[in-house]
Amino acid sequence: EADIYQTPRYLVIGTGKKITLECSQTMGHDKMYWYQQDPGMELHLIHYSYGVNSTEKGDLSSESTVSRIRTEHFPLTLESARPSHTSQYLCASQQGNYGYTFGSGTRLTVV
Amino acid sequence: AQSVTQPDIHITVSEGASLELRCNYSYGATPYLFWYVQSPGQGLQLLLKYFSGDTLVQGIKGFEAEFKRSQSSFNLRKPSVHWSDAAEYFCAVGSTGGGNKLTFGTGTQLKVEL
Repeated sequence: EADIYQTPRYLVIGTGKKITLECSQTMGHDKMYWYQQDPGMELHLIHYSYGVNSTEKGDLSSESTVSRIRTEHFPLTLESARPSHTSQYLCASQQGNYGYTFGSGTRLTVV
Repeated sequence: AQSVTQPDIHITVSEGASLELRCNYSYGATPYLFWYVQSPGQGLQLLLKYFSGDTLVQGIKGFEAEFKRSQSSFNLRKPSVHWSDAAEYFCAVGSTGGGNKLTFGTGTQLKVEL
């Protein structure tokens, strides 16, 4: 039973549009992460947060931004979508040193 | 810095055969180790994890993994593969100290032949 939710599951959008990918978790986890994954490829960390009002960029440079105003919510925003942003975006949360709990992902296509 | 190597990009096994997926890590101390599985178009699901203690850990779906410090390995095994096991498998390492981000391997794509 998933306790971390990502919406939408699929999104097709035109170039130049602003989009927000939603990620919410009900477990009260402090740490949250965004990964970008191309089909059949490895995961690249693009943003993470260790608590409210704390956000950091990950290992892969990304034009997206994130916010963490509430513990349970960690949205990712693209101000102006481009075809190069087409990918799957995975959100995860973590408590302490334990493993991540992942959402089902958002598959974004920019046309 | 910690790192993970999964040397096999693709593996094909017959249904009912045994499976071993390789994972080697690099980390200065005793790591936290994880195996995840990803079905097409889905997020990652935790199969099992190793923190300390018994080096053979049992997970869900009949999988197990063995931590071998001398070989810096954490290979995933299953004695008899089912067609539904076809998926992408990721090994990950986490640090026992501060900073809890996981580092993932590049994944191994498992194909099961009927």
